[in-house]
Amino acid sequence: NAGVTQTPKFRVLKTGQSMTLLCAQDMNHEYMYWYRQDPGMGLRLIHYSVGEGTTAKGEVPDGYNVSRLKKQNFLLGLESAAPSQTSVYFCASSTGMDYSNQPQHFGDGTRLSIL
Amino acid sequence: KQEVTQIPAALSVPEGENLVLNCSFTDSAIYNLQWFRQDPGKGLTSLLLIQSSQREQTSGRLNASLDKSSGRSTLYIAASQPGDSATYLCAVRPQAGNNRKLIWGLGTSLAVNP
Repeated sequence: NAGVTQTPKFRVLKTGQSMTLLCAQDMNHEYMYWYRQDPGMGLRLIHYSVGEGTTAKGEVPDGYNVSRLKKQNFLLGLESAAPSQTSVYFCASSTGMDYSNQPQHFGDGTRLSIL
Repeated sequence: KQEVTQIPAALSVPEGENLVLNCSFTDSAIYNLQWFRQDPGKGLTSLLLIQSSQREQTSGRLNASLDKSSGRSTLYIAASQPGDSATYLCAVRPQAGNNRKLIWGLGTSLAVNP
């Protein structure tokens, strides 16, 4: 059981380039989340989705776009990468049933550097 | 505004010691509190989730307690092992506002020395 899989694991971009981070989960979870983790800042929610075809903004959505075309996949896009987006990005998922009391399951992260 | 604090930021103990990690939060209106473990270069693993109506949860050598009235939770690790070395994060799910967003602490980095 793979759980939550993120690709790629590492990436280096130049300022202004675009890229898409892919998150896939095989647990049939309704809810999916994208976080970024920065030293001294803790985890911050970028965007989330409560089901296929839906997305919503988190606390730091600027500069990112997301799509949830299939239930098992949640894509995070950077249209024009900036050095401030250098971070470790984590995807997570959770069941929609009684979501308030269900743990989130995390991928291993994508380490992204913007030069 | 809900804030989550974890003290200490780092802890180093000899193998075999029992230890307590602390998490405090400012608003008692929460659905639950979760403890996660993060290994270097890895994602987060959920360890324990305590619902607001519960006082504690146990899993193996781990015991987490919750005191909503004082805004505190502790994670007790019995008979620590080098394999317990990791960063431990706590997060609360608030009842107010956007309760799909967890509020995270910065973590306690634990080193268990053989």
